[in-house]
Amino acid sequence: QKEVEQNSGPLSVPEGAIASLNCTYSDRGSQSFFWYRQYSGKSPELIMSIYSNGDKEDGRFTAQLNKASQYVSLLIRDSQPSDSATYLCAVNPYSGNTPLVFGKGTRLSVIA
Amino acid sequence: DAGVIQSPRHEVTEMGQEVTLRCKPISGHNSLFWYRQTMMRGLELLIYFNNNVPIDDSGMPEDRFSAKMPNASFSTLKIQPSEPRDSAVYFCASSPLQYQPQHFGDGTRLSIL
Repeated sequence: QKEVEQNSGPLSVPEGAIASLNCTYSDRGSQSFFWYRQYSGKSPELIMSIYSNGDKEDGRFTAQLNKASQYVSLLIRDSQPSDSATYLCAVNPYSGNTPLVFGKGTRLSVIA
Repeated sequence: DAGVIQSPRHEVTEMGQEVTLRCKPISGHNSLFWYRQTMMRGLELLIYFNNNVPIDDSGMPEDRFSAKMPNASFSTLKIQPSEPRDSAVYFCASSPLQYQPQHFGDGTRLSIL
């Protein structure tokens, strides 16, 4: 059973701080990794994708991947109250030809 | 371009009734997914289709659940008979290929009384 683990939170950070969201996965051969943001009462929205080790930056968001440690993270710089949401990590398993496996999500609360 | 379209947005019905949820995927996407989301269990994949063919329905909780995709632009998820424990948000998502990131519809919030 391929698994994706996330701390459910809530993770509370003050406005302007860096929020760090973490995700681990069980399938060592996993190929691609995604972060979705889900506001309360809304559907998940794709915000970041990363495919190789290292960092990928997009505005205030940075995704970090370490395949050796089977670890992927999302950093949100200068956190805003509008970033308060649940963040879902999704992983494409090694088999490649199967759907993404989603974690249960981490709830982030940015305090003004 | 239109995203994934689901209907209805909300459904409230009594236990024992048949429930039909509908989904129109993004044009050109070959894979369609049905999910159920609850606080306790998170996002659960129920079934997915490739090119209108069901590939994996191992997530369907019981025989009371069924899904069809008669053509590339329409899919249904049926629950018959419905039970209170089926209450959840049901999402439909689509992607170009099954291993690529998915685009979600707005979901159907289902309440079974």
